[in-house]
Amino acid sequence: DAGVTQSPTHLIKTRGQQVTLRCSPKSGHDTVSWYQQALGQGPQFIFQYYEEEERQRGNFPDRFSGHQFPNYSSELNVNALLLGDSALYLCASSFVSRDTGELFFGEGSRLTVL
Amino acid sequence: GQQLNQSPQSMFIQEGEDVSMNCTSSSIFNTWLWYKQDPGEGPVLLIALYKAGELTSNGRLTAQFGITRKDSFLNISASIPSDVGIYFCAGPTSGSARQLTFGSGTQLTVLP
Repeated sequence: DAGVTQSPTHLIKTRGQQVTLRCSPKSGHDTVSWYQQALGQGPQFIFQYYEEEERQRGNFPDRFSGHQFPNYSSELNVNALLLGDSALYLCASSFVSRDTGELFFGEGSRLTVL
Repeated sequence: GQQLNQSPQSMFIQEGEDVSMNCTSSSIFNTWLWYKQDPGEGPVLLIALYKAGELTSNGRLTAQFGITRKDSFLNISASIPSDVGIYFCAGPTSGSARQLTFGSGTQLTVLP
């Protein structure tokens, strides 16, 4: 049973560029959440997707956008990259029927902005 | 916004020792979760607590949901090298489990 998979694992971009990160949820899960984890900090909630709609959003600017596909996989897009966007981006999946905070995380995509 | 304060920030212990760490908040939480993150990995859920006063174990790990709903504790007994990692507490933001607030973590190092 495959867990949450994310790609790419590492990437380097320059300021002003755009990036797309991808996530496949754990088999059977229907909800995908994205978190940003800066070095030495805990994860911070970006947004959650269910039924291809953004269900909840954290305190992140509109430069951060997402999408969920019919097969439940998801993408995170960040436009006009800033140096401060350098972080580990974590995808987590869950069942919408179990809104308990019990999340399954992927290994993350490490983004470096130069 | 809601904040979770974890202490200590880091711990260095000898293999075989017991460990205790805690998490406090100025707001009430109706759920407390403890996650562990190994280097290069995503966080993994260790224990979930849903009732004030609840004490829950998972092997050598024991966590408690504080009576005031504003704190939680995690204890690890007889530590082993694979306990090394960062331990995070987390709770639903403003009562919604769709969005979790995480603490800044406790970095645990186990010395042989």
